[in-house]
Amino acid sequence: DGGITQSPKYLFRKEGQNVTLSCEQNLNHDAMYWYRQDPGQGLRLIYYSQIVNDFQKGDIAEGYSVSREKKESFPLTVTSAQKNPTAFYLCASSIVDRAFYGYTFGSGTRLTVV
Amino acid sequence: KNEVEQSPQNLTAQEGEFITINCSYSVGISALHWLQQHPGGGIVSLFMLSSGKKKHGRLIATINIQEKHSSLHITASHPRDSAVYICAVSGGSNYKLTFGKGTLLTVNP
Repeated sequence: DGGITQSPKYLFRKEGQNVTLSCEQNLNHDAMYWYRQDPGQGLRLIYYSQIVNDFQKGDIAEGYSVSREKKESFPLTVTSAQKNPTAFYLCASSIVDRAFYGYTFGSGTRLTVV
Repeated sequence: KNEVEQSPQNLTAQEGEFITINCSYSVGISALHWLQQHPGGGIVSLFMLSSGKKKHGRLIATINIQEKHSSLHITASHPRDSAVYICAVSGGSNYKLTFGKGTLLTVNP
């Protein structure tokens, strides 16, 4: 079955450490996205990528970094510069086609800084 | 002001009731999405629509482009419908979504 795999589901990080969240898709989607969800707020876009080796900052990119070396993979690194990293992180992918948008979401990673 | 506003924020219903969740947006869009998020956090896409009405089982989604408003209806609600329902809009050339804050629906048996 095609879909998005995010790992791990739960992640604990010590303050000051970088951590990388994995996102892999086998849907052959061109575009991939990282969103952050905080209690009482809508999901906010961190980074997105429409093609391999290219990505753009979203609304809250500070303290995060990404790479897109393969079409299937879009890992997100939460750096020590991110002041409030405890949150729920969702990866998504979509077709890049004006006639049709097929969004698929992963199951998310809950990051807690201890 | 958020570009996507949902109402109500919280909704409690008895099993069997007809449910309506509303979404208003203030920007031009290419499509509007209704999403469902269960307690575990994963999100499922329910509908994507740019005009008219779509139906899937007990779920119905409508959109009025002129009024910039969409509704999600659930007929004969069931406790398993309990979840957060999220409205999101997409537009422009980068296909990214702008999300509402979600509506927490609780259906009691």
